[in-house]
Amino acid sequence: SQQGEEDPQALSIQEGENATMNCSYKTSINNLQWYRQNSGRGLVHLILIRSNEREKHSGRLRVTLDTSKKSSSLLITASRAADTASYFCATRMDSSYKLIFGSGTRLLVRP
Amino acid sequence: NAGVTQTPKFQVLKTGQSMTLQCAQDMNHEYMSWYRQDPGMGLRLIHYSVGAGITDQGEVPNGYNVSRSTTEDFPLRLLSAAPSQTSVYFCASGRAGGNEQFFGPGTRLTVL
Repeated sequence: SQQGEEDPQALSIQEGENATMNCSYKTSINNLQWYRQNSGRGLVHLILIRSNEREKHSGRLRVTLDTSKKSSSLLITASRAADTASYFCATRMDSSYKLIFGSGTRLLVRP
Repeated sequence: NAGVTQTPKFQVLKTGQSMTLQCAQDMNHEYMSWYRQDPGMGLRLIHYSVGAGITDQGEVPNGYNVSRSTTEDFPLRLLSAAPSQTSVYFCASGRAGGNEQFFGPGTRLTVL
C-alpha cells in the first residue's frame, strides 16, 4: 500500500482564496516533499521539509510537518487559476533512497 | 541541459509483446527511478537505481526488468505485456540523497 495519502481527493476554490491539502503517512521519514502535476505532464518539485523541521515557506507555499501525527499540510495562499493542477506528497524513509508518492489532490481554481 | 528525456511518448502493444521504455538524463544524477501512474492511484514505484550497476525493486516490480549500465540511462523492459500494464510511465532522476526528483514527460502505454 502507498505510504502517503492525500486529503481531500479533490478541491475546488475561487481565485484569491487559500487552498489547503493534507498528507498522512505511515512510517517514520527522513523528509517529505510536495510535487505538482499539470494535466498530462510530468511532476515538478515544489518544496521539501525535513523530519526535524516543523514549517517551511516558499513564495505562496507554506508546508507544515507534524511527525507525531505523521501528517503534513500544504497551503497555497492567494490562489490563481494557474495553480490548477494535481498535488502529491512524497516521503523518503530514513533507511531507504526510495521516494514513495501519495494518491494526490486535484485542485481546481475557478477564475 | 535536456533534463530527463523519455521515449517513446506513446506506444500501443498487443498482449504478450515485449518492449523497452527508454529514459536518459544529462544531469549526472546517481538516483533514477521508474513510476507508473494509474487513474486514482497516484504514482507507484516500479524499480529504482542508486548508481550504475545497482538496481532494486519498488512497490510494483512484477512484469518489469531494469538495468543501469551507465549513469545516464535507465531503460525499463516489459517482458510480456499484459493489459494490466496499461498506464502512464514516468522516469525520474535526482541526487542520491533522496531529495528533489526531476521527472520526464512520461510514456503513455496501452496494451490491447
